[in-house]
Amino acid sequence: QSALTQPPSASGSPGQSVTISCTGTSSDVGGYNYVSWYQHHPGKAPKLMIYDVSKRPSGVPDRFSGSKSGNTASLTVSGLQAEDEADYYCSSYAGSDNYVFGTGTKVTVL
Amino acid sequence: EVQLVESGGDLVKPGGSLRLSCVASGFTFSIAWPGWVRQTPGKGLEWVGRIQRKSDGGAADYAAPVKGRFTISRDDSKNTVYLQMDSLRTEDTAVYYCTTEDWYKLNYWGRGTLVTVSS
Repeated sequence: QSALTQPPSASGSPGQSVTISCTGTSSDVGGYNYVSWYQHHPGKAPKLMIYDVSKRPSGVPDRFSGSKSGNTASLTVSGLQAEDEADYYCSSYAGSDNYVFGTGTKVTVL
Repeated sequence: EVQLVESGGDLVKPGGSLRLSCVASGFTFSIAWPGWVRQTPGKGLEWVGRIQRKSDGGAADYAAPVKGRFTISRDDSKNTVYLQMDSLRTEDTAVYYCTTEDWYKLNYWGRGTLVTVSS
């Protein structure tokens, strides 16, 4: 199973928006509405930010939003804040009790 | 507060074995579907596998690269999930994270434990 494709990096100034893409296939991203996004500050536990393509867990700011079109999912962080600087990974259910992750995107707040 | 605390990471030679443990707290472990995700050096995350709660059958599922070599088990009396890793290869070198799965999402993660496979 191939990893989902994400851009290696993305950046924006405080207050701006940044969008990260996550491209898979019809066997994963395009086949299921089970795309999740995780924020990872190195050395800490990864944190679920978005699930089921566009839902936010309790406690996640509404600055974080998710969407999907075809085989590509996207995470948008609006109103960038310094604490949003982290690595972000998408993940999709891939059928047969299997999951695939994205290659990861490092978000830098300029 | 939900906590997942991994332990057992170590340096092991190729072909060797290692068992990781993850102790959970802050939720009812017996109804959870705990599992493992790893992050290889310089690379992204990779799903390793997970185990169902006993009331759902208790079966474990694995990613293709580890199937037949890794075994996930659980002890609900100790709120602990284990990852038994046999026939280890250099490419298994990674930080291993304990997770809980809830309807197609990994809602909680631990901080990870480092496994290094090298001669």
